[in-house]
Amino acid sequence: EVQLVQSGAEVKRPGESLRISCRGSGYTFPTSWIGWVRQMPGKGLEWMAIIYPSDSDTTYSPSFQGQVTISADKSIGTAYLQWSSLKASDTAVYYCARWVGRRFDYWGQGTLVTVSS
Amino acid sequence: QSVLTQPPSVSAAPGQKVTISCSGTSSNIGNNYISWYQQLPGTAPKLLIYDNNKRPSGIPDRFSGSKSGTSATLGITGLQTGDEADYYCGTWNGSLSGGLFGGGTKLTVL
Repeated sequence: EVQLVQSGAEVKRPGESLRISCRGSGYTFPTSWIGWVRQMPGKGLEWMAIIYPSDSDTTYSPSFQGQVTISADKSIGTAYLQWSSLKASDTAVYYCARWVGRRFDYWGQGTLVTVSS
Repeated sequence: QSVLTQPPSVSAAPGQKVTISCSGTSSNIGNNYISWYQQLPGTAPKLLIYDNNKRPSGIPDRFSGSKSGTSATLGITGLQTGDEADYYCGTWNGSLSGGLFGGGTKLTVL
């Protein structure tokens, strides 16, 4: 059974750094693309970025290029989403999901990130 | 404002049928497969339809998808109160080499 388990909720101050994680199991993690989707409070889904863990090949949405960094550690089956300097507008729920055939077929439970002074 | 246009809301009575549209361009829907996602309140999205009209294992045949040109449609028959959710279309954007979601449609089963 494919499972994606995300790290817990985070509360941060503006300007702080953060890395959230997503551990995949039940499938061959290194050779399946995995990505991140943002959902701001009361808003829709936004496609952020995907990564191929085997060689760390990445694709970013232009809206998120330079704003976040996606990475993965294939040895422990975990993908990451990282910010170097958080803003209040980064407050959202972030979902990881497996990207197969240009669709997200399995989703994590979501990680709520709250950025507030 | 999303590149893929969906109606903000639709509603219908239990047992009835509803359709949700998703409109795009030749850069996205016109030359790529469409997928549809269901997000029940307070939960993560779930894949409902992929490759325009295919259902993952476990998705009932009450849910169907179609595509014509630069538009796609999700159909739901035999509506149940448990179908109340937000529905999103998704596809690939060839000109930007990235994925896209529609703005989402809230389904109310009256």
